[in-house]
Amino acid sequence: AQTVTQSQPEMSVQEAETVTLSCTYDTSESDYYLFWYKQPPSRQMILVIRQEAYKQQNATENRFSVNFQKAAKSFSLKISDSQLGDAAMYFCAYKKGAQKLVFGQGTRLTINP
Amino acid sequence: GAGVSQSPRYKVAKRGQDVALRCDPISGHVSLFWYQQALGQGPEFLTYFQNEAQLDKSGLPSDRFFAERPEGSVSTLKIQRTQQEDSAVYLCASSLVGVADTQYFGPGTRLTVL
Repeated sequence: AQTVTQSQPEMSVQEAETVTLSCTYDTSESDYYLFWYKQPPSRQMILVIRQEAYKQQNATENRFSVNFQKAAKSFSLKISDSQLGDAAMYFCAYKKGAQKLVFGQGTRLTINP
Repeated sequence: GAGVSQSPRYKVAKRGQDVALRCDPISGHVSLFWYQQALGQGPEFLTYFQNEAQLDKSGLPSDRFFAERPEGSVSTLKIQRTQQEDSAVYLCASSLVGVADTQYFGPGTRLTVL
């Protein structure tokens, strides 16, 4: 079974600085999708960024970018120029085809003003 | 356009009561997923529909949990004879049917069983 591991239960960063959240996963598949979701206190799970495993180029979305290392099964999220609104739980997730998402345990990100 | 909606947002039940949680997916989304999120944990898969067909119910924790989507749109997750361990946030997500399609989540229903 696929598993997703986030080894950092909590992270904090100064406003305007850069922070990297770690994620590793275990799968025997070669074609799959990886996601980072953000969950603020309102509980709404919001998509931050996605990566297709067949693409070598790392995905970017404005201040958010990933470092996808397929051989190492690593998928970290970098947030640049951190803003107070970035404070939330961040979940890494894996998906094979049109199937369920498998989530990590989450990382709580705090932004210090 | 409108996102995924869920109702109620909060539900308090006495142990042993039955509850029904509703999910309205994004219009046109064929796939619908239910997840359970315990406090401080990541969401865990419960069940999956494609249109009205329930294709995967491997995550349902017991036969007290039942989900349906009779017309391929709105879905209801029903929990019979609720127990304290059922207390959690129940999240619904919908997507188009393609393998590359992203799941979009609703705000969830927080269920508290006393």
